[in-house]
Amino acid sequence: EDKVVQSPLSLVVHEGDTVTLNCSYEVTNFRSLLWYKQEKKAPTFLFMLTSSGIEKKSGRLSSILDKKELFSILNITATQTGDSAVYLCAVDSGGSNYKLTFGKGTLLTVNP
Amino acid sequence: NAGVTQTPKFQVLKTGQSMTLQCAQDMNHEYMSWYRQDPGMGLRLIHYSVGAGITDQGEVPNGYNVSRSTTEDFPLRLLSAAPSQTSVYFCASRGPDRRSYGYTFGSGTRLTVV
Repeated sequence: EDKVVQSPLSLVVHEGDTVTLNCSYEVTNFRSLLWYKQEKKAPTFLFMLTSSGIEKKSGRLSSILDKKELFSILNITATQTGDSAVYLCAVDSGGSNYKLTFGKGTLLTVNP
Repeated sequence: NAGVTQTPKFQVLKTGQSMTLQCAQDMNHEYMSWYRQDPGMGLRLIHYSVGAGITDQGEVPNGYNVSRSTTEDFPLRLLSAAPSQTSVYFCASRGPDRRSYGYTFGSGTRLTVV
């Protein structure tokens, strides 16, 4: 059974801190790993990672994948209160069903 | 605006009632899916469709039916609602190129079964 584990489950930081969110996975047929941000409503797409060692960046957010060790990290530098959200990691395990297996998410709270 | 539209946003049902959650997308995406999100459980796949006329079960299909008569619409039917189906439901779609940026989610339907 495919499995995605995120850690920590929750995290409280102060504005300006840097945070690292973790995602490890065990899937039968890895195709890609995706990160989403969820604030009260629908998840919004952040990154898709398919190749090991290649960092994806968007402003203060960055992510990297290690396919050998089966994990990914999401870094947020100089955190702001607007970064408060649940961050979801999901793995596309390939095949014709386009199935995404999600982790339980990390709840990030950024205090002023 | 292009995207995935879900209706209703909120719904309260009595145990045993049936209802249909609507999902429509205007991006000509072949793949559509339904997820439910429960506290501490992440998102779990209920049913999915890879094109009009083709549907299949996901991880938690019991108590739900789907159909896909058009590319645009993918309704989710609750046949006889149970309190265990209290959840937030998300519809998602994706284009055929799996190297594309990812899935687009609807804004969700919060369902309470009493």
